[in-house]
Amino acid sequence: EVQLLESGGGLVQPGESLRLSCAASGFTFRTYAMSWVRQAPGKGLEWVSGINGNGGSTYYADSVKGRFTISRDNSKNTLYVQMHSLRAEDTAVYYCAKEMCSSTNCYAIDYWGQGTLVTVSS
Amino acid sequence: DIQMTQSPSTLSTSVGDRVTITCRASQTIRSWLAWYQQKPGKAPKLLIYKASSLESGVPSRFSGSGSETEFTLTITSLQPDDFATYYCQQYNDYPLTFGGGTKVEIK
Repeated sequence: EVQLLESGGGLVQPGESLRLSCAASGFTFRTYAMSWVRQAPGKGLEWVSGINGNGGSTYYADSVKGRFTISRDNSKNTLYVQMHSLRAEDTAVYYCAKEMCSSTNCYAIDYWGQGTLVTVSS
Repeated sequence: DIQMTQSPSTLSTSVGDRVTITCRASQTIRSWLAWYQQKPGKAPKLLIYKASSLESGVPSRFSGSGSETEFTLTITSLQPDDFATYYCQQYNDYPLTFGGGTKVEIK
């Protein structure tokens, strides 16, 4: 059974940093691309960042580019996102997500974590 | 970036109705489109991938169609469990983008 368990959320002040982790199990972690998706309170889904299986390619939404860094440790089956210069508008539930992929393309998110809440407020 | 526009934003409907939700892309995304269902306080659930492929375990009353820039999600004979918010997402290019969502509510 695929499980994705996020941790690291909490209350931080504007300008501060935070690192989220996602412990994965139930699948061969190193062979799958992963993403972070967030949802502000009462709002829709926003894709934040993605990373391929070996960590060699990373992608970011314009809203977080230069402030967030996605990474993975395949020896620990863990996905990370390091968030710097946090703003009030980064307040959201952050979901860890496994991508559904063929050998050449990814085309959906087939598993989601339960989410971890990040609140940026003074 | 590719913009995804869903319509309507809210749909008031009844059990047994046929529901159609539209998603339009600002440029062609071929068939790289997924649909998700989300209920309050829960993570989204994958329904459809590659525009028309039904995810395993999803009831056959859900179907997807379309290509290039226009896509639809259809629910035939809406069931009580289907009242939720639905999102489309393009997978043609990074950054990946979601539509704004369609809330299907009870009339």
